[in-house]
Amino acid sequence: DSGVTQTPKHLITATGQRVTLRCSPRSGDLSVYWYQQSLDQGLQFLIQYYNGEERAKGNILERFSAQQFPDLHSELNLSSLELGDSALYFCASSVGLQGELFFGEGSRLTVL
Amino acid sequence: SQQGEEDPQALSIQEGENATMNCSYKTSINNLQWYRQNSGRGLVHLILIRSNEREKHSGRLRVTLDTSKKSSSLLITASRAADTASYFCATDVTGRRALTFGSGTRLQVQP
Repeated sequence: DSGVTQTPKHLITATGQRVTLRCSPRSGDLSVYWYQQSLDQGLQFLIQYYNGEERAKGNILERFSAQQFPDLHSELNLSSLELGDSALYFCASSVGLQGELFFGEGSRLTVL
Repeated sequence: SQQGEEDPQALSIQEGENATMNCSYKTSINNLQWYRQNSGRGLVHLILIRSNEREKHSGRLRVTLDTSKKSSSLLITASRAADTASYFCATDVTGRRALTFGSGTRLQVQP
């Protein structure tokens, strides 16, 4: 158990819809990262937050947004969903800005 | 494109044999990390090697880093069926703030 909690574990929705994925980092970790894993694109970095502030952006679509709350949990919002958004979405946390990442078990999103 | 690329993409060996996976990357790094992922599960950190280190051991794992060739290798000795998983290298690139993962090596250990 990494100590990182992601909900929901599975989500099935339709094109055009909006979903919110939630992540609670390990106790004491200030950084939260979101990654997308799909079969054809591998593990893609989306966005990083550190202590409530956005620190780095990767290949995150404009339809996607995220935030980190004062209690350090984070949410990833995916809107106007397309079939290609079907993937595993991972949250990871770390103590600081670098170093070892601790991953949650992921949220599997299926868009029909 | 991916910063780190693993080779081979897939590897099948018998229990007890050693497994070697390689990772090549393109730019200067602060450190390189190896992660393991069981099918459909979260990634688990295995080992971190800093740019000024050449070799590191952890249990049955041995990692080497050659910054002149921009490559790393992960050796799993005396493999077990439970080692069956995908293995990813991840680079902490100088000037970037998030790890960049390679495409992974799928290891199958036959009992």
